[in-house]
Amino acid sequence: AQSVTQPDIHITVSEGASLELRCNYSYGATPYLFWYVQSPGQGLQLLLKYFSGDTLVQGIKGFEAEFKRSQSSFNLRKPSVHWSDAAEYFCAVGATSGTYKYIFGTGTRLKVLA
Amino acid sequence: NAGVTQTPKFQVLKTGQSMTLQCAQDMNHNSMYWYRQDPGMGLRLIYYSASEGTTDKGEVPNGYNVSRLNKREFSLRLESAAPSQTSVYFCASSEAGTKLFFGSGTQLSVL
Repeated sequence: AQSVTQPDIHITVSEGASLELRCNYSYGATPYLFWYVQSPGQGLQLLLKYFSGDTLVQGIKGFEAEFKRSQSSFNLRKPSVHWSDAAEYFCAVGATSGTYKYIFGTGTRLKVLA
Repeated sequence: NAGVTQTPKFQVLKTGQSMTLQCAQDMNHNSMYWYRQDPGMGLRLIYYSASEGTTDKGEVPNGYNVSRLNKREFSLRLESAAPSQTSVYFCASSEAGTKLFFGSGTQLSVL
């Protein structure tokens, strides 16, 4: 069955520090993979997506993610966090055919210390 | 370009009342989705429709029904609302499982 796990519920980092948010998925083949961000009271904004090809994908706001098939992971990274990055981050897995079922993880809330 | 339009934005129901959330998209997408968002639980898929004429259960379908009225519209119905259905509901659409386009959400309270 298709599923997504985000093991970290909360993460706190200092401004300027590096960030890595973890995401593990379960799917029978290589899925479509996504990271979304949601600021308080706002809708979801797509940060980046992986469909195929280069396993390191670049997104908006200086974020990147790496697809590792052997680990069923798609971790999100940023080399230097800004205070405005404080938000909730969701990893999602999309089926690549048939039903196009699209499942989200439970989210990781990021707090940034000044 | 309106994208995904979802109504109403806010709703308060009493336990046992029924209501329908409406969703329409103007991007000619085949796939449409209904999610609910609760603190600490992310977005959970209620129902989805891969194409006009088909609907499938998601992760949390109990207490809900859906109708894919045509390619544009996908409604979600609560037949007998319960307090556990208090949540923020999002409709979304996509083409072939690619990027989701979301509606602005419905904040539902069931008293």
